[in-house]
Amino acid sequence: GNSVTQMEGPVTLSEEAFLTINCTYTATGYPSLFWYVQYPGEGLQLLLKATKADDKGSNKGFEATYRKETTSFHLEKGSVQVSDSAVYFCALLTSGTYKYIFGTGTRLKVLA
Amino acid sequence: SAVISQKPSRDICQRGTSLTIQCQVDSQVTMMFWYRQQPGQSLTLIATANQGSEATYESGFVIDKFPISRPNLTFSTLTVSNMSPEDSSIYLCSDSGTEQETQYFGPGTRLLVL
Repeated sequence: GNSVTQMEGPVTLSEEAFLTINCTYTATGYPSLFWYVQYPGEGLQLLLKATKADDKGSNKGFEATYRKETTSFHLEKGSVQVSDSAVYFCALLTSGTYKYIFGTGTRLKVLA
Repeated sequence: SAVISQKPSRDICQRGTSLTIQCQVDSQVTMMFWYRQQPGQSLTLIATANQGSEATYESGFVIDKFPISRPNLTFSTLTVSNMSPEDSSIYLCSDSGTEQETQYFGPGTRLLVL
């Protein structure tokens, strides 16, 4: 079945450090891939998405590239800020369905 | 993207009681979804709520425990019935949005059952 695997957290970084959160997936067909962010005490917000192979999603300095050959959608940011501290969820949506498959989430803590 | 609100934002309830969570969208949407996020866990889809028809429940979730209403295209409710401490979770609603395939989420309802 379809699944999403994220690197386990928590991830603790100093401000301005480079961030990578790994996400790999298993799916039939050609899914769309998403990163959602959940700030403390809030709901989920869409961070970025990619709908086909080699697409790059980007937002707020974050980027992720849909890599079909490695079935990955790793999240990166060149210089993190304290305000980026949150839980990040990778998710996939199989073509023609509305059912998201979420990863377990990765908690990021950025220290000043 | 639609703006989604939920009420209540949090509640503390006694076991055996029921709580109804409201979800309001600021525009008409075809599909609304209810998710559960147990402490430290990811999101699990409970059911899909379509206006004018019964909700469609995912495996492991039943209507008697989680009755859902969808009276119009902007509103839905989820009731958590006969609660136990295991029901302590964040409950989130979402819609299908205006962009293809992207779902937008409400802020969540944080439920603690004692």
